[in-house]
Amino acid sequence: GNSVTQMEGPVTLSEEAFLTINCTYTATGYPSLFWYVQYPGEGLQLLLKATKADDKGSNKGFEATYRKETTSFHLEKGSVQVSDSAVYFCALYNFNKFYFGSGTKLNVKP
Amino acid sequence: NAGVTQTPKFQVLKTGQSMTLQCAQDMNHEYMSWYRQDPGMGLRLIHYSVGAGITDQGEVPNGYNVSRSTTEDFPLRLLSAAPSQTSVYFCASSRRRGEGQPQHFGDGTRLSIL
Repeated sequence: GNSVTQMEGPVTLSEEAFLTINCTYTATGYPSLFWYVQYPGEGLQLLLKATKADDKGSNKGFEATYRKETTSFHLEKGSVQVSDSAVYFCALYNFNKFYFGSGTKLNVKP
Repeated sequence: NAGVTQTPKFQVLKTGQSMTLQCAQDMNHEYMSWYRQDPGMGLRLIHYSVGAGITDQGEVPNGYNVSRSTTEDFPLRLLSAAPSQTSVYFCASSRRRGEGQPQHFGDGTRLSIL
């Protein structure tokens, strides 16, 4: 089957710290992978995506590389800001369906 | 830029009542879907549609019905509300041609069943 597992939160960091949020997946075939971000009271917004193995998605300083050999799509950012505080969801798309991880809450302190 | 519009934003129902959550998109997207978001469980797919007249079940379809008579609209019906259906519901849409098309989400409907 298809599923996404991401690290539990909350993750609390100081401003300018390095961020990693782990995401691993199980899928048949060749899924597309996504990271979405959700701010309080809002819907999810696409952060970045990758559609095939070894692709690197990037946006707003965030990066993630599609690693087929380790079935992973870890989210990284070199220097987080207070404005990055939100809930981050890893997701995969396969055979007409999207599957989401449980979300990781990030708190960034000034 | 309307994008994906969900109504209502909040709703309280009594057990056994029925209601329809509305979702409309103005981007001519072929793919539309409904999710429920519960604490610690991420988003779970309820139903989805790959085009007008075509719908299919997701991960948690029981207790919900959908129809897709137009490209723009994809309403979700609760037939007989139960407390277990208390959740935040999100509608999303995307282009379907090709893989890797990201979904555009509405702002959600917060539903409480008493």
